[in-house]
Amino acid sequence: SQQGEEDPQALSIQEGENATMNCSYKTSINNLQWYRQNSGRGLVHLILIRSNEREKHSGRLRVTLDTSKKSSSLLITASRAADTASYFCTLSGNTPLVFGKGTRLSVIA
Amino acid sequence: EPEVTQTPSHQVTQMGQEVILRCVPISNHLYFYWYRQILGQKVEFLVSFYNNEISEKSEIFDDQFSVERPDGSNFTLKIRSTKLEDSAMYFCASRGPKGYTFGSGTRLTVV
Repeated sequence: SQQGEEDPQALSIQEGENATMNCSYKTSINNLQWYRQNSGRGLVHLILIRSNEREKHSGRLRVTLDTSKKSSSLLITASRAADTASYFCTLSGNTPLVFGKGTRLSVIA
Repeated sequence: EPEVTQTPSHQVTQMGQEVILRCVPISNHLYFYWYRQILGQKVEFLVSFYNNEISEKSEIFDDQFSVERPDGSNFTLKIRSTKLEDSAMYFCASRGPKGYTFGSGTRLTVV
């Protein structure tokens, strides 16, 4: 199984600011997904980007993928307190999904 | 939007007891998974299930654990003789053409 590594481990920003978190990986992938986990809750799928895509948008989320650098970034624009959560990247090539430690985002009102 | 449903949301059990965690995957999904997350730690893969049999399992998934799809809709995780270190959130997931969907989890507390 393949694992992405999220960076930074923790990020604290003011409401309204943008939040950027990164994911690095080591193997080839078919696609990369970002998930969110609110404290003590389940995992929510945010966005999937395929290996032949470079950028994808969904609402306030923007994901980029650079397969040459084996990295991805997740940008959350105009952050809200409700965005406070842990964010994970996962790689899809072979199942099952493997989760790293994630980035713990705190948005301060 | 179809959901993966897990019951109960919280289970407290005495050490040494058996527990069964239940999941109802999305109806047209064919692949099912159990993950667990010990408080403050990573989400860890336990087992995957396809075509009525285990397709992959992690080192965590030892003889204490078993999975079953008893009736074509439910997908269960049984933990025999629970230990204190089994206390965790347990997540069920199913996978279909559009990817994975996770349930909200069962918080298992072993006392």
